[in-house]
Amino acid sequence: DAKTTQPPSMDCAEGRAANLPCNHSTISGNEYVYWYRQIHSQGPQYIIHGLKNNETNEMASLIITEDRKSSTLILPHATLRDTAVYYCIVRVGLGAGGTSYGKLTFGQGTILTVHP
Amino acid sequence: DSGVTQTPKHLITATGQRVTLRCSPRSGDLSVYWYQQSLDQGLQFLIQYYNGEERAKGNILERFSAQQFPDLHSELNLSSLELGDSALYFCASSSSGETEAFFGQGTRLTVV
Repeated sequence: DAKTTQPPSMDCAEGRAANLPCNHSTISGNEYVYWYRQIHSQGPQYIIHGLKNNETNEMASLIITEDRKSSTLILPHATLRDTAVYYCIVRVGLGAGGTSYGKLTFGQGTILTVHP
Repeated sequence: DSGVTQTPKHLITATGQRVTLRCSPRSGDLSVYWYQQSLDQGLQFLIQYYNGEERAKGNILERFSAQQFPDLHSELNLSSLELGDSALYFCASSSSGETEAFFGQGTRLTVV
């Protein structure tokens, strides 16, 4: 699986947009970009994923560059409850062959702190 | 609630003992993943099963083993426990390798 690079920490003011960057310059054509977050030792929570196109759901937006070498997770209106460790993961899909069968490999992530 | 159930939530045991952690995946999910999270380390992938068969192996110790049963629940067996095995153990499930995986709330294992 491709390696990802994220800043170790970021701050954001409550109510403002949080933009979390991720570099995945060695991503392959069959690898998806996934974002998860972990709030204080709880189970990681799925946020969003994409392959090529930008994606949006009720939690966040995912912007993937055209060359797919980087992406940005956007939390449009951050709240104090969004304080967490955010993980950017690239993941090979089941149909892509190989033996990874979609396992998620977590890096160190970005600690996002939302301030009042 | 992710739909993934892990039991027990907490477990305290002595060194040298053996424990079994249980995971019930979301209804219909065929794939189960196990992860370990120690205080000084991130989420470490241990092993993955897909429809009863082992599919991927990570940094799982030989003292650890897992299986997925016909009803798709999974168990992680940890034996000859050491102090360093104290950690959070998470289970996740997904319907396939291309869909999102959902995590349970974990089992906190403390070895004393």
